[in-house]
Amino acid sequence: AQRVTQPEKLLSVFKGAPVELKCNYSYSGSPELFWYVQYSRQRLQLLLRHISRESIKGFTADLNKGETSFHLKKPFAQEEDSAMYYCALSSGGYQKVTFGTGTKLQVIP
Amino acid sequence: EAGVTQFPSHSVIEKGQTVTLRCDPISGHDNLYWYRRVMGKEIKFLLHFVKESKQDESGMPNNRFLAERTGGTYSTLKVQPAELEDSGVYFCASSWTAGDTEAFFGQGTRLTVV
Repeated sequence: AQRVTQPEKLLSVFKGAPVELKCNYSYSGSPELFWYVQYSRQRLQLLLRHISRESIKGFTADLNKGETSFHLKKPFAQEEDSAMYYCALSSGGYQKVTFGTGTKLQVIP
Repeated sequence: EAGVTQFPSHSVIEKGQTVTLRCDPISGHDNLYWYRRVMGKEIKFLLHFVKESKQDESGMPNNRFLAERTGGTYSTLKVQPAELEDSGVYFCASSWTAGDTEAFFGQGTRLTVV
């Protein structure tokens, strides 16, 4: 069974500090990993996915198959980064995405 | 372009009643997904439509849940009869193709069963 674990429910950092949102997964095959974000009063939206290997809004995430991790990082947090972040996994495409429980990022001015 | 729209945004019903949630996907999106987040738990996949056909309904919790997608346009998710544990936020998402396209989410319907 596929599973996504986000150990932190809440992560508070000061503006300008580095951010790392942790995500570990379990899956027997080769999964696709994603990060979704939900800003206050907005819809859940895709932030980035590992296959595109791009940086969105300064965030990056590297898939580490050895450690089965897909941590989300940003070198300098901004207040507008405050949101709920969900790590997610799919066995292929977007058909059946398994989400983690989410981490609330709070950037303190 | 209008995004994925869900109705209602909130619903409070008594245990044993019936509730129907509606999702209007982005026009032209063949793929429609339902997910739900129960309080304190992760967002879980419920089912996937390709046009009007159910591609995967392995996430549907039990036979009290019935999803339909008439004509391959909007979809409804009916809960009958509702139980307390059905409370949560129900999300709908849609995409052009299932394989390699971003799915766009609706704002969700918060269902509270009392």
